[in-house]
Amino acid sequence: AQSVTQLDSHVSVSEGTPVLLRCNYSSSYSPSLFWYVQHPNKGLQLLLKYTSAATLVKGINGFEAEFKKSETSFHLTKPSAHMSDAAEYFCVVSDPSGTYKYIFGTGTRLKVLA
Amino acid sequence: EAGVAQSPRYKIIEKRQSVAFWCNPISGHATLYWYQQILGQGPKLLIQFQNNGVVDDSQLPKDRFSAERLKGVDSTLKIQPAKLEDSAVYLCASSPSDRVYYGYTFGSGTRLTVV
Repeated sequence: AQSVTQLDSHVSVSEGTPVLLRCNYSSSYSPSLFWYVQHPNKGLQLLLKYTSAATLVKGINGFEAEFKKSETSFHLTKPSAHMSDAAEYFCVVSDPSGTYKYIFGTGTRLKVLA
Repeated sequence: EAGVAQSPRYKIIEKRQSVAFWCNPISGHATLYWYQQILGQGPKLLIQFQNNGVVDDSQLPKDRFSAERLKGVDSTLKIQPAKLEDSAVYLCASSPSDRVYYGYTFGSGTRLTVV
């Protein structure tokens, strides 16, 4: 069965410093992996996706993630945090059992300090 | 392109009452999903439609939840009767296809509070 683990429920960084949100996955197949962001009272927005092409994936708002099969990881990074990055971030793995449904992690709340 | 529309944005009901949520997906999107997001948790899939047929409803509590997708476009999710543990945000998402690499577009959700 597929699963995804977000290693930190809360992360705090200072504005202008790097962001690292950690995600590990479990999959018997070649997974597709995604990062979504959810701002308060807003819907989920796709940041980036990995679907077996380049292992370093660039997304919106300066975010990127690297797929590392040997470590079963898909960590999300950004070189310099901005106040507007404060939100909940979800790592998602696809389930290729036929319906290709998403399996969400439990989320990481990012706090950006001025 | 217009996004996924959901209504209402908020709903407060008493336990044992019924409630319905509405979703209008992006035009032309064949696949529609309903997710339940309980506070502090990641979203959980309730039901997936491909056009107007159900693809996956394995996690839908069918004794109280029902969903339909009329003519393969709009969808409604109903809870009857509601329980306290149904308090959550109900998210609708759509995708051009069930091929996962397209990604989903989510609506803003309906926040349900059962008291």
